[in-house]
Amino acid sequence: AQSVTQLDSHVSVSEGTPVLLRCNYSSSYSPSLFWYVQHPNKGLQLLLKYTSAATLVKGINGFEAEFKKSETSFHLTKPSAHMSDAAEYFCVVSAYLNDYKLSFGAGTTVTVRA
Amino acid sequence: DSGVTQTPKHLITATGQRVTLRCSPRSGDLSVYWYQQSLDQGLQFLIQYYNGEERAKGNILERFSAQQFPDLHSELNLSSLELGDSALYFCASSPVAGGPDTQYFGPGTRLTVL
Repeated sequence: AQSVTQLDSHVSVSEGTPVLLRCNYSSSYSPSLFWYVQHPNKGLQLLLKYTSAATLVKGINGFEAEFKKSETSFHLTKPSAHMSDAAEYFCVVSAYLNDYKLSFGAGTTVTVRA
Repeated sequence: DSGVTQTPKHLITATGQRVTLRCSPRSGDLSVYWYQQSLDQGLQFLIQYYNGEERAKGNILERFSAQQFPDLHSELNLSSLELGDSALYFCASSPVAGGPDTQYFGPGTRLTVL
């Protein structure tokens, strides 16, 4: 079985300050982990993915995430938020034993204050 | 732009009706996935097709069916529609049948059942 828990349903930050979105996963096998972003009325766009290579993964638009097996976490960070980062973010897990089906977290809505 | 196209963008229909949603994958991608995004259930995997064959099933209702055609486009058929079927339906594609490959999402079809 696999699942994802996004620890915050909503995060509000000021423009120019760091963003931290927390994600914990559960998987009975070595997982692949993804962060997707969904802007209002748009489809999902891949930010970054981890597939058992380097544990620190860099993605698009200045985002990065660190895979920590001991903590079963895959938190997403960005050093300086931009207004265009306002969106919903999904942490996603897949694994070989689950036929690589994607399991989505409930999502974190990010608001950026000017 | 992910390269995945979905039509129509919006669909409004009545309870008891049947609708068909269409998806064209990225050029060269053989796998097509369907997802449902609703406020109460979040993002859920429905079904996957690979090169014309059903590959994996998720939380898809018996009233729903899908197929993938020889040109690799896919259709999701929803019948005997209920109010609770109102949701955003996403299609995604990837090059292969399984593995931790990135899935590329289309912009979605918003279905409203009145």
